[in-house]
Amino acid sequence: QPVLTQAPSASASLGASVTLTCTLSSAYSNYVVDWYQQRPGKGPRFVMRVGAGGIVGSKGDGIPDRFSVLGSGLNRNLTIKNIQEEDESDYHCGADHGSGSSFLVVFGGGTKLTVL
Amino acid sequence: EVQLVESGGGLVQPGGSLRLSCAASGFTFSSNWMHWVRQAPGKGLVWVSRINSDGSSTSYADSVKGRFTISRDNAKNTLYLQMNSLRAEDAAVYFCAPYYYDGSGYSFKYWGQGTLVTVSS
Repeated sequence: QPVLTQAPSASASLGASVTLTCTLSSAYSNYVVDWYQQRPGKGPRFVMRVGAGGIVGSKGDGIPDRFSVLGSGLNRNLTIKNIQEEDESDYHCGADHGSGSSFLVVFGGGTKLTVL
Repeated sequence: EVQLVESGGGLVQPGGSLRLSCAASGFTFSSNWMHWVRQAPGKGLVWVSRINSDGSSTSYADSVKGRFTISRDNAKNTLYLQMNSLRAEDAAVYFCAPYYYDGSGYSFKYWGQGTLVTVSS
């Protein structure tokens, strides 16, 4: 099954840009990954899906245009431009694998984004 | 509007049992796979289990296999998680989420607020 690796933390100044990376384990370079935002004390919120060719489908409800994704090799990156205070959240990536009784979903460890 | 309301969490002793429920509305519950995902305090998301639309197929994370049972009642639009032989490491907020198809693939488009399970003597 794939392993998704995320840096535990990231920071950026108000108005700046930041790129969060989700790295797939080798042999899973064709996998699509979902990004989720989780504000403190809240349930996760779907941001968007990303494959090797970029966004797959559409963004989640209410996700601003400042959020974009890029897929490159084993990386599935989420970029946030013109960072706002409300972007301070944990960001998780996830991907499904297998079928039937072997179906599962794996998540990365999450990245805590701090807005300075 | 999609709503997912988890309930049934609480404090339980190691080795005890709990049954979580998830009341769903705002989408066609009976057409969607449903999942449980948990999050220990300060930690990341961990997938727990899933059930297909009619309840005939299930799968579990290795860490809960043989102890947890997922089920659903499509007439009541409700998802369940029976948790037995609970361990300290099962302590977490438990979220339910439909695996929602949007035309390009399946994702956890909607989430509840979760229900907290505490395992302690």
